[in-house]
Amino acid sequence: SQKIEQNSEALNIQEGKTATLTCNYTNYSPAYLQWYRQDPGRGPVFLLLIRENEKEKRKERLKVTFDTTLKQSLFHITASQPADSATYLCALDGNDRGSTLGRLYFGRGTQLTVWP
Amino acid sequence: NAGVTQTPKFQVLKTGQSMTLQCAQDMNHNSMYWYRQDPGMGLRLIYYSASEGTTDKGEVPNGYNVSRLNKREFSLRLESAAPSQTSVYFCASRRGTSGSHGELFFGEGSRLTVL
Repeated sequence: SQKIEQNSEALNIQEGKTATLTCNYTNYSPAYLQWYRQDPGRGPVFLLLIRENEKEKRKERLKVTFDTTLKQSLFHITASQPADSATYLCALDGNDRGSTLGRLYFGRGTQLTVWP
Repeated sequence: NAGVTQTPKFQVLKTGQSMTLQCAQDMNHNSMYWYRQDPGMGLRLIYYSASEGTTDKGEVPNGYNVSRLNKREFSLRLESAAPSQTSVYFCASRRGTSGSHGELFFGEGSRLTVL
């Protein structure tokens, strides 16, 4: 069955540094991968989507890479700020390419804390 | 626009009781989803509806039923609640259907406790 792993449950970094979060998957050939942010007591909020034929995607201070050979995505936040503290989730489409089903599976998330 | 609205936000049930979680979206989205989130387990897909009139099981469907009442509404029913169903439930919607790569829009969650 498909398996999604995010590098660690918690990551603590100092303000101004670059945070790097990892999402690995097995038994999968996703057509795309998404990253979400979740604050305590709130629903996840979409950040970025990257397709299998894209190596890198950027949005402001965020950067996502997608290596289908390594079966890995890296999510970077540059010049991190305390306001970036949240849980970050990666999500992949299910193993039903070309179907109409459109499932989306999530990793367990990495809790990022940025301290001043 | 309200986006995705879930009711109730909090609920306490006794074992064996039934209840329905309601979800409505006002974005004219085709696909709707129900997830549960437990500590250490992440978001797990319970059921989804790729389009109005269709529903399908996700990873953890046992103990749940769903109804896609119309394009806007997707409800989740617990027929006989069990303590293992204590969780935070999230409804989400997405614009597309087949092969859609679009983002999910989530509600704020419904926190259910089964005693």
